[in-house]
Order: sequence, then C-alpha cells, then structure tokens
Amino acid sequence: GDSVTQMEGPVTLSEEAFLTINCTYTATGYPSLFWYVQYPGEGLQLLLKATKADDKGSNKGFEATYRKETTSFHLEKGSVQVSDSAVYFCALDGHNNNDMRFGAGTRLTVKP
Amino acid sequence: DVKVTQSSRYLVKRTGEKVFLECVQDMDHENMFWYRQDPGLGLRLIYFSYDVKMKEKGDIPEGYSVSREKKERFSLILESASTNQTSMYLCASSRNSPLHFGNGTRLTVT
Repeated sequence: GDSVTQMEGPVTLSEEAFLTINCTYTATGYPSLFWYVQYPGEGLQLLLKATKADDKGSNKGFEATYRKETTSFHLEKGSVQVSDSAVYFCALDGHNNNDMRFGAGTRLTVKP
Repeated sequence: DVKVTQSSRYLVKRTGEKVFLECVQDMDHENMFWYRQDPGLGLRLIYFSYDVKMKEKGDIPEGYSVSREKKERFSLILESASTNQTSMYLCASSRNSPLHFGNGTRLTVT
C-alpha cells in the first residue's frame, strides 16, 4: 500500500541555518503530496502541497519539489527562525478512499 | 477559514469507562476522520466517514467505534477505555484534500 518515510528527528538548528527534512514515498498512480506543520499544543496545519510531478509547493519560506523520478518531496528552508520550531509531517493522498498517509513526523527545534 | 472543533483539549478517564470524543466542522465537508498520534508512529487512521451515517474502518479500528448522525459532527467512542488508548486524538475534515485538523484531544486512561 501507499506509504511515506521521512527523516527521523529530532533536528536541532541554530537560527538562520539551512533546513532539509527528507521525505520519500511509495504509491501507485499519481498521488498528491503535502507537508503539514504542528506547533506546540495545536493540531496539524497545511504548510504546502504539490499535486503533480515537478510541481514546487512553497509557503512561509519553505519549499518542496515533487520528484517522481526519486519519489521524494524534501522540505527545505534557507534560513530558519525560532518560530519555526514545530513537528513537520510529510503526507500523501493517493486519491483512494479519501485516505491520507502520514510520515512519523520530524521535530525541529531552532535555537537563538 | 475552516474550523474543526474538538470538544475537549484534555481528558482523564479510568480503565473500563465509555469515552466520547466529539468533533464538529463548520464547512459542510463530506469527509471526516479520526486519527491517533503517538510519538514515533505519526498519525494512524482509526475511522473515517464520507457521508452521514456512513463509516469506514481505518488502520487501527479495534477498540473504537464512531457515529455520524449529522454532517457536521463525527464522534469517536471508546467502548471500554484501556491504558493503551492513552494518546492524542485528532479529528479532521475535507471535501477533497487537504485535510483540516482540530487542535486535538489528549486522552489519558488510568
């Protein structure tokens, strides 16, 4: 079945460092891909998405490109801030039974 | 903005109690979901519903049931709570994708 594997955390960075969180997927067909973010004490919020190969999703300085050839959707940000500290989830929608698959989550801590 | 409201942020229940977790959404979404979130395991789907009175099992339905009597409300029921059901429970809704999540209910079963 469809699945998502993302980089294990936790990840600790200094402010203004470059961030990469790796995500790879397994799916039949042509899934849509997402990154969600969960700030402390809150539910998940959609951060960005891409619906087809070579699409780039972007929001709040974060980017991810849908790479079909490597089945990847890595999250990047050029300069992280303390306020980016959160748990990040990669997710896949295989368009089957409205069922999304989530990665295990990566906790990011950004220190001043 | 879509609002998904879970009735409780924190709940503490005893083993064997019947527990109701309530979720309401205000965007007329057809699809509603219950997930549990555990460290290192991400989100696991318990049940989902794509219409009133319809329900489908997710990956881990054992020990849970659901009710969808009205389009806006999706309830998760723990028939007899056990300590291994201590977790964060997240409700979500959608028309297609993406999902819109509530803030979660942290349930502790003692």
